[in-house]
Amino acid sequence: DAGITQSPRHKVTETGTPVTLRCHQTENHRYMYWYRQDPGHGLRLIHYSYGVKDTDKGEVSDGYSVSRSKTEDFLLTLESATSSQTSVYFCAISESSQGADTQYFGPGTRLTVL
Amino acid sequence: QQQVKQSPQSLIVQKGGISIINCAYENTAFDYFPWYQQFPGKGPALLIAIRPDVSEKKEGRFTISFNKSAKQFSLHIMDSQPGDSATYFCAALDGSARQLTFGSGTQLTVLP
Repeated sequence: DAGITQSPRHKVTETGTPVTLRCHQTENHRYMYWYRQDPGHGLRLIHYSYGVKDTDKGEVSDGYSVSRSKTEDFLLTLESATSSQTSVYFCAISESSQGADTQYFGPGTRLTVL
Repeated sequence: QQQVKQSPQSLIVQKGGISIINCAYENTAFDYFPWYQQFPGKGPALLIAIRPDVSEKKEGRFTISFNKSAKQFSLHIMDSQPGDSATYFCAALDGSARQLTFGSGTQLTVLP
């Protein structure tokens, strides 16, 4: 998985609790992304980062926040988890935002919100 | 709002057959079209990609056909093998917006 780790790999939590997912890369790539994967929807972009402390919203950003204080780490936070946020979350990295640079995906985190 | 429409949702093919997955898009700002392959429990991995100035790209048994005027592109898997059984996603990149938009996925099963 191209030097990308995600933690935790599985998490079960209750509605209303805060949750933080971590993505760590060893490739020193500039761009990092958080996606969620749901049946029938493919992968949808939540937030992305184009540098330390530089982030922007994706297609489904409501209810999520992100932070990137170091090149290698990109955190996704659900301030107050809801059942609609039950999903598989993937982190991805790339050297640039252009097509010539592939997005490499991590192994995913399966989150269940009860 | 689904900017990239993918079909079929599932596909069953006999070993040695041809698998064909189709995608269509509306946004003319898309300038790069990759296909990803995903096995259960794994993240998606880039399979093959094409730019709109090329009508076809072939890598081994995998071919992308691209029709710019129709805003459609497709993945052809020749001589399909059981090991090709996976979920396939088409995607389209808007480089100026820095965002990759995915289709909804096709679950391919190749029977031995």
